[in-house]
Parts: sequence; structure tokens; C-alpha cells
Amino acid sequence: DADVTQTPRNRITKTGKRIMLECSQTKGHDRMYWYRQDPGLGLRLIYYSFDVKDINKGEISDGYSVSRQAQAKFSLSLESAIPNQTALYFCATSDSSPSGRFETQYFGPGTRLLVL
Amino acid sequence: SQKIEQNSEALNIQEGKTATLTCNYTNYSPAYLQWYRQDPGRGPVFLLLIRENEKEKRKERLKVTFDTTLKQSLFHITASQPADSATYLCALDKGGGNKLTFGTGTQLKVEL
Repeated sequence: DADVTQTPRNRITKTGKRIMLECSQTKGHDRMYWYRQDPGLGLRLIYYSFDVKDINKGEISDGYSVSRQAQAKFSLSLESAIPNQTALYFCATSDSSPSGRFETQYFGPGTRLLVL
Repeated sequence: SQKIEQNSEALNIQEGKTATLTCNYTNYSPAYLQWYRQDPGRGPVFLLLIRENEKEKRKERLKVTFDTTLKQSLFHITASQPADSATYLCALDKGGGNKLTFGTGTQLKVEL
């Protein structure tokens, strides 16, 4: 979905390096998410943010940090990359509703990360 | 523990037939369930949402059922086409705030 963009699309890095993956959206959504996808494990939530001042850990946040610079931007950092962080990373957004429920998520194209 | 199960084996069907994919879950009481399509190297794309008080939802050639007693959702594609070939993911809310948990997906291959 062109409304959610991720940079870079592919990245190769070495163990111990710090890297940042960036996500931008033009959908005007309040909520943003970072997932990683591994073969056989599906999508797993790393961090999520319901507004600029709200950051929450997902199920696999160890080794990652995030920054919500603006409503439209949500970055994921690997402070010291390790090989088992090799995966496909997706950013997603969703809108908030009065009930706070039943909202679909819109995904970016993904970043393929290889840690050597 | 909470678990979402989708058939990990690929489903191969002939063009024109109905494809049926299964999503089973345990230890959840989801308020709704969603289905997404994912093509290789791309992000998932939302297809359908069904709420706990709905038995069936349709959209064009797609139909989803939701049985909260059996803890199961079925996803049907009628008159399947090769362009329907993709991986299909189900996702459940874990309660509050739209945090979704995804199944691992089932790969569908529609052959001529």
C-alpha cells in the first residue's frame, strides 16, 4: 500500500551494528505497529504506538527500540544487531474509532533485513 | 496457552473450484476475526472482518464464517482463479486496542 512506506526495502548489516528502519504513512492514522515475519512463525508484534506519546512493547520487544517522531513516522531501531534478527519487517497502521475496536490494519511493503 | 492454527500445508486446487481455508484458535475469546492476503515479498492486505455476533460475511467471491463455539473460522473463495494464489492469514484481537495476533497462514495455489 503506497500510503505506508518503509525504508530501506532491503538491508544487509553486520553483527553488532546499529540500524534503523523507518516507516511513514499518509493515511492520517493514529496507530502504528512494527512486526517481524519469520518462516513458520508468522507475524509477531514488536512494538506499537496508539499516538505520538504512547509507546508499548509487543510480544518480542527485546533487542529493539522505537521512536514515534510524529503522527506519520514510526522508526524501529536495532541497537546491536544479531543474526537471529534476520527477518522481514513490516510497519502497519490503523485508525482509531470511538469504540477503539474493529479496525483493520494497513501494511507497508516490508524491509528485508539480513544480519551477518 | 493461546494459539491460532492454520493449515501449514499448501492447498492446491483447480481453477473454478471453491477453496476453503481453516483458522482454529484456542484460549481466545476474540471480539472479531480478520482475514488478510499476502503475496510473496509484500505486506498483508486486509480482506474481511467478521465480528463475534456474526455467523457469516460475504464480499464478492469471498465468504467467511465464524463459529465461536467451535472456535473456528472458515474462509471460502468461490470460482477460484490463478490470481487468487497467495498466502492467507487469519488474525484475532486479543482484547482492547486492536492488537492483532496472526496465524502463520495457508498458501493457496490455484492451478489451470
